Amino acid sequence: DSGVTQTPKHLITATGQRVTLRCSPRSGDLSVYWYQQSLDQGLQFLIQYYNGEERAKGNILERFSAQQFPDLHSELNLSSLELGDSALYFCASSVDPEQGGNQPQHFGDGTRLSIL
Amino acid sequence: GENVEQHPSTLSVQEGDSAVIKCTYSDSASNYFPWYKQELGKRPQLIIDIRSNVGEKKDQRIAVTLNKTAKHFSLHITETQPEDSAVYFCAARFTGGGNKLTFGTGTQLKVEL
Repeated sequence: DSGVTQTPKHLITATGQRVTLRCSPRSGDLSVYWYQQSLDQGLQFLIQYYNGEERAKGNILERFSAQQFPDLHSELNLSSLELGDSALYFCASSVDPEQGGNQPQHFGDGTRLSIL
Repeated sequence: GENVEQHPSTLSVQEGDSAVIKCTYSDSASNYFPWYKQELGKRPQLIIDIRSNVGEKKDQRIAVTLNKTAKHFSLHITETQPEDSAVYFCAARFTGGGNKLTFGTGTQLKVEL
């Protein structure tokens, strides 16, 4: 158990819909990262939040958005869903990326999103 | 741009043999290189990492080496066991803000009895 909690584990929905994925970081971790893993794209970084603020952005689609709340949990919102959005979505967390060197990222169990 | 290349994409070894997976990265300023193991349907699990101020790190049967001049790093697994079978991903932290990781494309390791 990594200490990172993601819900739901599975999500099945239809094209055009909107979903929200939730992540609670490990106790004490201030940074949250979202990654997408699909069969043909590997693990792709989407976005990072640190203590409520957006810190880094990857190839995240405009249809996707995220936020980190005061209690440090994060939500990833996916809208106007397309078949190609079917993937595993992982959340990871770390302590403080700017403190004394690089901090390891620990991954949650992921949310498997299936678009029908 | 930020790029990590990983080879081989598949690797099959006999139980007890060693396995080596290699990665190269594009940004010479990269300073952190973790390795993750991912079993089918499960989360990536950090198995070892190395920072740019050291050349080698070892943890039991697993070791990682870093050659900053050549911009490549490798994962070495000795005395492989069937439970080592999984997909292994290398990653690099590129400079430029945040702590995002860029991952290699993965190596499917199969340890045969």
